Formats: sequence, C-alpha cells, structure tokens
Amino acid sequence: DTAVSQTPKYLVTQMGNDKSIKCEQNLGHDTMYWYKQDSKKFLKIMFSYNNKELIINETVPNRFSPKSPDKAHLNLHINSLELGDSAVYFCASSQDVGNQPQHFGDGTRLSIL
Amino acid sequence: AQSVSQHNHHVILSEAASLELGCNYSYGGTVNLFWYVQYPGQHLQLLLKYFSGDPLVKGIKGFEAEFIKSKFSFNLRKPSVQWSDTAEYFCAVKGNDYKLSFGAGTTVTVRA
Repeated sequence: DTAVSQTPKYLVTQMGNDKSIKCEQNLGHDTMYWYKQDSKKFLKIMFSYNNKELIINETVPNRFSPKSPDKAHLNLHINSLELGDSAVYFCASSQDVGNQPQHFGDGTRLSIL
Repeated sequence: AQSVSQHNHHVILSEAASLELGCNYSYGGTVNLFWYVQYPGQHLQLLLKYFSGDPLVKGIKGFEAEFIKSKFSFNLRKPSVQWSDTAEYFCAVKGNDYKLSFGAGTTVTVRA
C-alpha cells in the first residue's frame, strides 16, 4: 500500500504546454505539500495545504497552481511550461501543520524539451 | 525564516568506516530537526528526528544524531557504514512558520 502516490512518475513534454501532476495520500493526514528538487538535488517548498486551505505559498511563478479537492489530494497544474521547470517534483504529507515528519511520494521527473 | 547548511557536498568512504555529516541551522527560536535519506531513484525517507528531550537521538539503520543547541548543530553519525548506505542525505529544520527547510544535501558514496 503506497502511502503517498504521485502520477505520473515521468513526464516529458514540450515548452509552452500545460500539464498536471496528481498526488494522493491514504494516511489520513491533514496537510500536504509540493516540493521542487532541482538538478543539484536542492529541495524547496512550493506550496502547502492544510485541510484544503493554502497555508504556504512560496515565491513560485503563478503558472503553477495547486488544487486540493479534498484533504487526501493535492494536484499541481503548470501552465506554459518553460525549460527551467525541468526538475523532480515531490508531494508529501504530514499529520498536521505541527512537527510530525513528512512522508514523501516517489517524485515526478518533469523534462521539458 | 531558517536556513540550513550542510558542510560536506560529497563524502566518499569505504565499508566499515565511520560517517559523520555536519548540519548547522540559523534560527533563534524553537526548532524541530530531521535527517532524511534519499536512496538512488527513490523518495525521501525519514532517518531520525529531534523534537525535545535527550539531545542524542537514534534513528533507523544504525544512524544517530546529536543536537547541540549552543552550536546550532545537528550532526548525523554512523559508526560503521555499509555499501547500502550510499545515498543522498538531507538535514531539515522546521521552525514556527510551518515550513520545512532543507539543506543542500550530502552525497555519500560507500565503496565496497
């Protein structure tokens, strides 16, 4: 049973396209996150939702829009993809906004041609 | 906001050698500290965490870390590494702003 699952695992697309990455967690957690890991392995928080409400919105281009239809899902939609968007995107979840550890998905490797 | 620095970018060692990875953070308030490991091609997994109490915490796979408040440090150690410990190691800090800030990561390569 996968706790945090992301789809797709790999995404190869052309500049200018619009794409979505889906994330689901079956842990009953209240809080979910999106991280971007660049080519140097640096991990940076992008967004966080707690009970479907946005609580963290880092300096991210507004081409990136998260959507949380319910607290078990947090999807990431990206418009007008650019070369610099190539990265691995990780979804994570935690019990709540407190100090419990975050559980990560397997990542989505996005490659822009 | 807090920042996290990991001293070593890449560490190469032989099996059975001891490992210590440095981590320092800058944040004046109460922090919660974590070490995560990312094996090649896999997601991040929690190795250990510190919230309060005994500053020496033990995690999975024989890892431990020591929180030294006066030095703003949370170094990771393992007395004897195995080839399977080859991975990327990330130190992370959470303050009062809900955000988990990661260090840049240390690549550990263990040679058989």
